[in-house]
Amino acid sequence: EAGVVQSPRYKIIEKKQPVAFWCNPISGHNTLYWYLQNLGQGPELLIRYENEEAVDDSQLPKDRFSAERLKGVDSTLKIQPAELGDSAVYLCASSPDLGETQYFGPGTRLLVL
Amino acid sequence: GQSLEQPSEVTAVEGAIVQINCTYQTSGFYGLSWYQQHDGGAPTFLSYNALDGLEETGRFSSFLSRSDSYGYLLLQELQMKDSASYFCAVRDDTAGNKLTFGGGTRVLVKP
Repeated sequence: EAGVVQSPRYKIIEKKQPVAFWCNPISGHNTLYWYLQNLGQGPELLIRYENEEAVDDSQLPKDRFSAERLKGVDSTLKIQPAELGDSAVYLCASSPDLGETQYFGPGTRLLVL
Repeated sequence: GQSLEQPSEVTAVEGAIVQINCTYQTSGFYGLSWYQQHDGGAPTFLSYNALDGLEETGRFSSFLSRSDSYGYLLLQELQMKDSASYFCAVRDDTAGNKLTFGGGTRVLVKP
């Protein structure tokens, strides 16, 4: 069974530029999560999808961050414009139910210069 | 809100036993999970406790006391490959089964 796929694995951009991250969850997993992980800290939830519906986006900074999961499968997380403080690892995870076990992708490491 | 406390770092030698404690405060509690993350890698699920008691999975065991808002992960017969960060995470039933992670405990296994 293929795991959660994320791309790109690494991204370096200048501040004020836009950036997008892509996630393909495990087949059949209806729940998809985007997390942010700063160095030396635990993952922090940004947004959770149930199929194509965003059911928890309370931690998503909506002034610059947006996400979509149009067909209830793949998802894209976008930052526009990026700030220096956005440098972090962006993790995508999926689960077949409401979250007893979440399966994480390898993450996208973003560096904003 | 939710908060979790776990030690920042633990060092032990191969073959030893390490216990990582996790205390939590949450408005609604459903269960406690543990995840392992190697440097540069993805967090991977280790265990989940919804009820009081000990859950054993090979060399790793996890314990929960709901009345004490406390749990721990026990790593036995430590191996070099166990060097990683370990996160406890609370599943909160009042927030749509949201997982809130602790800051992580970095375990360093020495030969």
